[in-house]
Amino acid sequence: DAGVIQSPRHEVTEMGQEVTLRCKPISGHNSLFWYRQTMMRGLELLIYFNNNVPIDDSGMPEDRFSAKMPNASFSTLKIQPSEPRDSAVYFCASSTSGRGYNEQFFGPGTRLTVL
Amino acid sequence: SQQGEEDPQALSIQEGENATMNCSYKTSINNLQWYRQNSGRGLVHLILIRSNEREKHSGRLRVTLDTSKKSSSLLITASRAADTASYFCATDGETSGSRLTFGEGTQLTVNP
Repeated sequence: DAGVIQSPRHEVTEMGQEVTLRCKPISGHNSLFWYRQTMMRGLELLIYFNNNVPIDDSGMPEDRFSAKMPNASFSTLKIQPSEPRDSAVYFCASSTSGRGYNEQFFGPGTRLTVL
Repeated sequence: SQQGEEDPQALSIQEGENATMNCSYKTSINNLQWYRQNSGRGLVHLILIRSNEREKHSGRLRVTLDTSKKSSSLLITASRAADTASYFCATDGETSGSRLTFGEGTQLTVNP
């Protein structure tokens, strides 16, 4: 298995533009997580899905952020409009089941820079 | 306040020495995990210890868990320069479902 796949790996955009980050979880995993990592705030959970259903989106910063999981093999995180303070590394992770008994597998991340 | 706080924030040692990192948490947990992150990469799972376990080993790693003190430690023995990375603990609370709460991490530097 190729592991969790994220695209793009790097994204540079201007303030006000829409940004879409993509994630393909490991086949067979039924939980998917989106995280954001910055020096100031560390690693923050934005949202997670179980069986394609959003379970907890309390970490989503504001309405500019939205996430979807239309099927078991694909998820997107969208920021519209983007702002410089959104600059961070965004990680997607997947795991096999709920309750955290199984490890989470992280993708390589998308480094987003908003100018 | 934040679940899963590591200390120290940064640790610098010489190759061959042991490295110990600590993690404290505040609420009851099902299990506690340790992850490693190399610069510019995603996190990689190292080891999981369940709430009914007190110690676990994996290669050069030794993890302890003290639920009465709500703390865990990660010991890396005979460290190598390649162990240089950030190390995070993550807790799975009894009511948190699938989510893990990560600490702020310990930056370990192993000097050759």
